[in-house]
Amino acid sequence: EPEVTQTPSHQVTQMGQEVILRCVPISNHLYFYWYRQILGQKVEFLVSFYNNEISEKSEIFDDQFSVERPDGSNFTLKIRSTKLEDSAMYFCASKDSYSNQPQHFGDGTRLSIL
Amino acid sequence: AQTVTQSQPEMSVQEAETVTLSCTYDTSENNYYLFWYKQPPSRQMILVIRQEAYKQQNATENRFSVNFQKAAKSFSLKISDSQLGDTAMYFCAFGPSGNTPLVFGKGTRLSVIA
Repeated sequence: EPEVTQTPSHQVTQMGQEVILRCVPISNHLYFYWYRQILGQKVEFLVSFYNNEISEKSEIFDDQFSVERPDGSNFTLKIRSTKLEDSAMYFCASKDSYSNQPQHFGDGTRLSIL
Repeated sequence: AQTVTQSQPEMSVQEAETVTLSCTYDTSENNYYLFWYKQPPSRQMILVIRQEAYKQQNATENRFSVNFQKAAKSFSLKISDSQLGDTAMYFCAFGPSGNTPLVFGKGTRLSVIA
C-alpha cells in the first residue's frame, strides 16, 4: 500500500537555526497538510497546500514557517530561526481528490530544539 | 469553530474484553467526516475507522466499530476482543468537508492489560 514518507525521523537543531522537514506524499494525491503535536498534547493543524499554493493556514503558521513543493514529489516545511517551543512531532498528510477519502499520515518527524 | 472533545484522558481494559472510547464534537455543518486515529508509542498516526455523516449505518472494521449519533454529535469507538497491540493513544478527529484540515480531540490513552 502506498505510504507518505517523512524524513528525517528525528532532527536535533540548535535554537535559532533553520530546519527543513521533508515529506513525499502518495503519488496521486493532490492535497497536502502539515500538522504539529507538542509532546503530550493534541495534534494541531498548521497548513494545507493544493495546486501549488497554500489553501489554508492556522494562526500557528506565522512568518517563521513556509512550505514548498520544490518538485513533483517532495513537500517541505521550513522553520526559520527555531525556538525551544518548536520542539514537537511534525506530521505530513496527503489526500486524493475524492472528498470521502481520508488523509494519510506519514510517520512524523520528531524535532528537538536545544 | 468546530471542536472535538474526548472526556476520558486514560482508560484501561483487560485483554479480550470490550472497551468504548467516547468523543463528542460541535459543528453547524450537516455533511462532514469523523475519524478515529491510533497513535502507538512509536507515534505514528494510523487510521482506525471513519464515518461519513450522511451515512446512518455505523462503520465497522473488524474488531473496531463506532456508535455515531448525529443528533447528539457523538462518535464513540468500541474495541472488541481487546489485544495488547491495541495499547495506544486514540484520537477522534473531525473533518468539516472532504479536503479541509482535520480537528483533533486531546486523545484517550488506552492500556490493554494482560
